[in-house]
Amino acid sequence: QQQVKQSPQSLIVQKGGISIINCAYENTAFDYFPWYQQFPGKGPALLIAIRPDVSEKKEGRFTISFNKSAKQFSLHIMDSQPGDSATYFCAASRAAGNKLTFGGGTRVLVKP
Amino acid sequence: GAVVSQHPSWVICKSGTSVKIECRSLDFQATTMFWYRQFPKQSLMLMATSNEGSKATYEQGVEKDKFLINHASLTLSTLTVTSAHPEDSSFYICSATTRLFLAFFGQGTRLTVV
Repeated sequence: QQQVKQSPQSLIVQKGGISIINCAYENTAFDYFPWYQQFPGKGPALLIAIRPDVSEKKEGRFTISFNKSAKQFSLHIMDSQPGDSATYFCAASRAAGNKLTFGGGTRVLVKP
Repeated sequence: GAVVSQHPSWVICKSGTSVKIECRSLDFQATTMFWYRQFPKQSLMLMATSNEGSKATYEQGVEKDKFLINHASLTLSTLTVTSAHPEDSSFYICSATTRLFLAFFGQGTRLTVV
């Protein structure tokens, strides 16, 4: 059972554009939602995280939007750069520090 | 961010042998570490949760006798793949949780069993 569904599987965006990745979860016990960036052959790196009591969180060019009633959250990458080309994973857990359930991942390619 | 180091970064072993992978939190103490497995172009699948000084908790379908986990100190957890076979070839990644409950990942270990 896939508890966190992520879309799209891949995304191509022009430099300077906005990359948008969506995730939906099923388990209402989840209350911590991080996003990770992974480059080929490397481990995931924490980008930004949000809790359900906040509808939006912004850190630099990265913004998480959270819709608790719809059980959905999304990552927006503003002013996308070629260096942002990577695979992005959303994740969820019952609390920060607990085991993470990952979405399927989105491969983002930013064209110069 | 906190640093988690995994060693080795890659390893090739013969079928039937065992391989040990180390995961260290370099600048913080981690009471909990997690081990994941990732196949090419796929997501991370949790294998087990490792707590310092206690037995690891394995996810359903993960053979605990094949994937031995030891968490001997607050900065070190090891995963030993015993009697490795080609189907065990994968990318193994650990993560460690800080006192602020943030999870940081190691750089991963590429295991190839020939």
